[in-house]
Amino acid sequence: GQQLNQSPQSMFIQEGEDVSMNCTSSSIFNTWLWYKQEPGEGPVLLIALYKAGELTSNGRLTAQFGITRKDSFLNISASIPSDVGIYFCAGQILRGGGSNYKLTFGKGTLLTVNP
Amino acid sequence: DGGITQSPKYLFRKEGQNVTLSCEQNLNHDAMYWYRQDPGQGLRLIYYSQIVNDFQKGDIAEGYSVSREKKESFPLTVTSAQKNPTAFYLCASSKGGETQYFGPGTRLLVL
Repeated sequence: GQQLNQSPQSMFIQEGEDVSMNCTSSSIFNTWLWYKQEPGEGPVLLIALYKAGELTSNGRLTAQFGITRKDSFLNISASIPSDVGIYFCAGQILRGGGSNYKLTFGKGTLLTVNP
Repeated sequence: DGGITQSPKYLFRKEGQNVTLSCEQNLNHDAMYWYRQDPGQGLRLIYYSQIVNDFQKGDIAEGYSVSREKKESFPLTVTSAQKNPTAFYLCASSKGGETQYFGPGTRLLVL
């Protein structure tokens, strides 16, 4: 199946620092999604991107849909302890038939914030 | 409150036993999904359903079965044929092929 390469695998930062993580793919996606998952919980949608070059913010979070449609990044500014969790990227290809419902997920970036 | 509920939060399975995980949504979403998550791994799709009474296999369907008799419900059965069932199971739903929203998950453990 399709693969998304998400990096870094983990990050350990000090409170107040900015964070950047990204996902790359060999395939073109029509939609990029970023989710956050806290321990023992389901992923929560942070940002959805639908157009190449799109830059979208949600509070201290900013994400971009790469121009080539094969990559996306997520930035978190001025990190705080509650930013701790696993961040997943997911890509979706829109085409006819059943496959347009399927997401491909990266393996996640584990973020630890030291107060 | 609108949302997706999964039950139970924790489930224990004995050898050779089938167990069923519940997923209910009141978001009026057409599509529902089941994912499996293992430590350090991304989410892998088990089954998905676009409409009632129809479902398709995902990437790792072996050892699992589903039904979709109602729009709101998409239960997953982990059969005895699934030799490594210990994992965190996540249900999701979406309006058509739009953004997927996830439930809180069920952790399945083997005794």
